[in-house]
Amino acid sequence: SQKIEQNSEALNIQEGKTATLTCNYTNYSPAYLQWYRQDPGRGPVFLLLIRENEKEKRKERLKVTFDTTLKQSLFHITASQPADSATYLCALSEANNLFFGTGTRLTVIP
Amino acid sequence: DTAVSQTPKYLVTQMGNDKSIKCEQNLGHDTMYWYKQDSKKFLKIMFSYNNKELIINETVPNRFSPKSPDKAHLNLHINSLELGDSAVYFCASSQRLRDEQYFGPGTRLTVT
Repeated sequence: SQKIEQNSEALNIQEGKTATLTCNYTNYSPAYLQWYRQDPGRGPVFLLLIRENEKEKRKERLKVTFDTTLKQSLFHITASQPADSATYLCALSEANNLFFGTGTRLTVIP
Repeated sequence: DTAVSQTPKYLVTQMGNDKSIKCEQNLGHDTMYWYKQDSKKFLKIMFSYNNKELIINETVPNRFSPKSPDKAHLNLHINSLELGDSAVYFCASSQRLRDEQYFGPGTRLTVT
């Protein structure tokens, strides 16, 4: 069966450290992989998109990698801040649909 | 300016009723979507609508029907509401299928 798993439901990290979130998938062949941020009571907000032929994408303090052999994406937030605390969702684009992972709730501790 | 808006924000209704949720986007996008987010926060695609083509997730009961009066609107109509329909429903849009999506604020539906 198809699965998208994000490493842990919750992740706590000290301010200033790098947060690394993992997204693993099985039985998908995504052309794109996207990362979103969701704050409580709000809709997801798009962060980054990476294509299957790209290894890495960066945007300010954010970095995403995509390994189609390992079927894994890593999402990094460097110099993390309390304002980065949110739920982060990975999403696979396949067959013109977007399939979301279960999310990781990140808490950055001051 | 709100890019993707939904009304109402909260909807409380009884089992068996019929209700609609409205969605509008002012981004000029060609594609719109409806998602359901359950109590475990799992976000699941229900429909996508692109150039008048409707793609339906096969697991969605036919009590749910999207209606698009024009490219900027995609409303969700639900017949014979059930307790299990309680969830947060998100509308989203993108320029094309597979592009990044812009989500609305969500509609929290509670069926009693």
